[in-house]
Amino acid sequence: KAGVTQTPRYLIKTRGQQVTLSCSPISGHRSVSWYQQTPGQGLQFLFEYFSETQRNKGNFPGRFSGRQFSNSRSEMNVSTLELGDSALYLCASSLNTGSAYNEQFFGPGTRLTVL
Amino acid sequence: DAKTTQPTSMDCAEGRAANLPCNHSTISGNEYVYWYRQIHSQGPQYIIHGLKNNETNEMASLIITEDRKSSTLILPHATLRDTAVYYCIGNSGGSNYKLTFGKGTLLTVNP
Repeated sequence: KAGVTQTPRYLIKTRGQQVTLSCSPISGHRSVSWYQQTPGQGLQFLFEYFSETQRNKGNFPGRFSGRQFSNSRSEMNVSTLELGDSALYLCASSLNTGSAYNEQFFGPGTRLTVL
Repeated sequence: DAKTTQPTSMDCAEGRAANLPCNHSTISGNEYVYWYRQIHSQGPQYIIHGLKNNETNEMASLIITEDRKSSTLILPHATLRDTAVYYCIGNSGGSNYKLTFGKGTLLTVNP
């Protein structure tokens, strides 16, 4: 079974630009979450999508947005990039069986560098 | 989600058991204790989770104290490939997919 895939793996942008990152979850997984990882702040939750709806949201400015498609694939967008947005962006998918337990499977991440 | 406290770093000899502690004194009754690890430059990997009882799977064992204020992750025979940052996370599960990662413990397994 293929794991979570993220594209692109590496990206370089300049301040003020916008960027779109893509995530394909494991087949059959309907929940997709996004995280940002930086050396200073560590791993921080951005948002989670389920059935094309944002279900959980972290504490990030409105420049960070996302969406989920009917095939569960997800994209996240960052507009008006700032230097501080340089980070590893991780996507995680989950089966969402409705049980209390929800293991998340992480992709390899997209390394975004803002110059 | 519960606040967790872990040592910054630990060392372990290859082949020996690695015991990683975690304090979660504010954990609520419906919150699970999850453990994930992150090998350098990779995405985090789920290890194990538990609510009240001790748990064991092919990767590790999880010992939760009776008062649920702390837990210990045990890697029974650590290998060099177990060198990673280990995160202890409290999460209520269900539709709550927000994992709150702390700083974690850097476990270094030495030959």
